[in-house]
Amino acid sequence: DVKVTQSSRYLVKRTGEKVFLECVQDMDHENMFWYRQDPGLGLRLIYFSYDVKMKEKGDIPEGYSVSREKKERFSLILESASTNQTSMYLCASSLLEGSNYGYTFGSGTRLTVV
Amino acid sequence: RKEVEQDPGPFNVPEGATVAFNCTYSNSASQSFFWYRQDCRKEPKLLMSVYSSGNEDGRFTAQLNRASQYISLLIRDSKLSDSATYLCVVNRASWGKLQFGAGTQVVVTP
Repeated sequence: DVKVTQSSRYLVKRTGEKVFLECVQDMDHENMFWYRQDPGLGLRLIYFSYDVKMKEKGDIPEGYSVSREKKERFSLILESASTNQTSMYLCASSLLEGSNYGYTFGSGTRLTVV
Repeated sequence: RKEVEQDPGPFNVPEGATVAFNCTYSNSASQSFFWYRQDCRKEPKLLMSVYSSGNEDGRFTAQLNRASQYISLLIRDSKLSDSATYLCVVNRASWGKLQFGAGTQVVVTP
């Protein structure tokens, strides 16, 4: 089975801090994604990457950046955390034609910004 | 209009009963459809793909209606462990990406 591992299950950060969320997958998937999930809003795509050093903005990229230096690792960066970035963050990966096979998600990071 | 719309529920279902719910999608060119299951405070997990002719996986049956642009999920003989939020997922116009609905909550009661 594909395993997608997120480095932290729970994080509490202060407003203005720079925050790094790490995600690693072990099945050589080309695509990796970062979503946030909020009650009533569902999953919203922040950024995705289809190859090393390649990235594209999703629906809500403002306030975030990403890094993909190695195929297995995709990092989400909150440049200056704000309280409205308190959320559940989910990383996912898929084969190149991910829309045919679905995604595999990590267990999520619940971030609280105070 | 949202790309994928679902009734948020909750659908309260007695154990052993059947429950069914739909989701509508806006992109008529969509080709890939899935149902995901998400337990409380956990990540979404793929429940089943949805094929054009409809398909079953044990007690779960998925149907696709392209003309009306909706997919459905039916759960027979509901178990307490079926209590979860079910996410409808459709591929987006943009290559390789999926659009997730906000989910339908199902609560199975003893």
